[in-house]
Amino acid sequence: KAGVTQTPRYLIKTRGQQVTLSCSPISGHRSVSWYQQTPGQGLQFLFEYFSETQRNKGNFPGRFSGRQFSNSRSEMNVSTLELGDSALYLCASSVGQGVGYTFGSGTRLTVV
Amino acid sequence: AQSVAQPEDQVNVAEGNPLTVKCTYSVSGNPYLFWYVQYPNRGLQFLLKYITGDNLVKGSYGFEAEFNKSQTSFHLKKPSALVSDSALYFCAVRDGATDSWGKLQFGAGTQVVVTP
Repeated sequence: KAGVTQTPRYLIKTRGQQVTLSCSPISGHRSVSWYQQTPGQGLQFLFEYFSETQRNKGNFPGRFSGRQFSNSRSEMNVSTLELGDSALYLCASSVGQGVGYTFGSGTRLTVV
Repeated sequence: AQSVAQPEDQVNVAEGNPLTVKCTYSVSGNPYLFWYVQYPNRGLQFLLKYITGDNLVKGSYGFEAEFNKSQTSFHLKKPSALVSDSALYFCAVRDGATDSWGKLQFGAGTQVVVTP
């Protein structure tokens, strides 16, 4: 059974640019959640999508957005990148009822 | 609002000795509790969870955790630590409300160092 796939694994962007990260959940899973991990703030919830609808949102500025497609794959977008956006971005896949979450290996974003 | 506390930034233990990583939580309603482990430059690997049922939960790689409702704790334990258990451990919680199904609140993490 394939796990959660996040692409790309590593990314270097310049301040002011935008970036799109992708997450393919486990087959049959309808929920995808996104988290930002930094040394200073730890793991912080960004948002969750279930059946193409945003079901939950964390306390991040509007520069952070996401979407989910009909095949449950999800993308998150960060516009107007700032140095502080440098982080490991993790997505988690679940069937949608909150009893189990499988994480991908993450995308390491570096903003220079 | 839900919250998780991992009071120790780092736990040092000799190989073969018992390992305990502490976690306390605050949540409205019934807690759903999870432990994850993270190795360098990797995602989170699931260890175990408590949803309901027996207070002692057994998980992967010989780990177990005890749910204590009165003390609002969910400490992770392993009877005999291995050097390969050296990693960053996260406790996470979500409350029972259906509108928070996709949202986990994580603790700050505890670095476990197992010395030979």
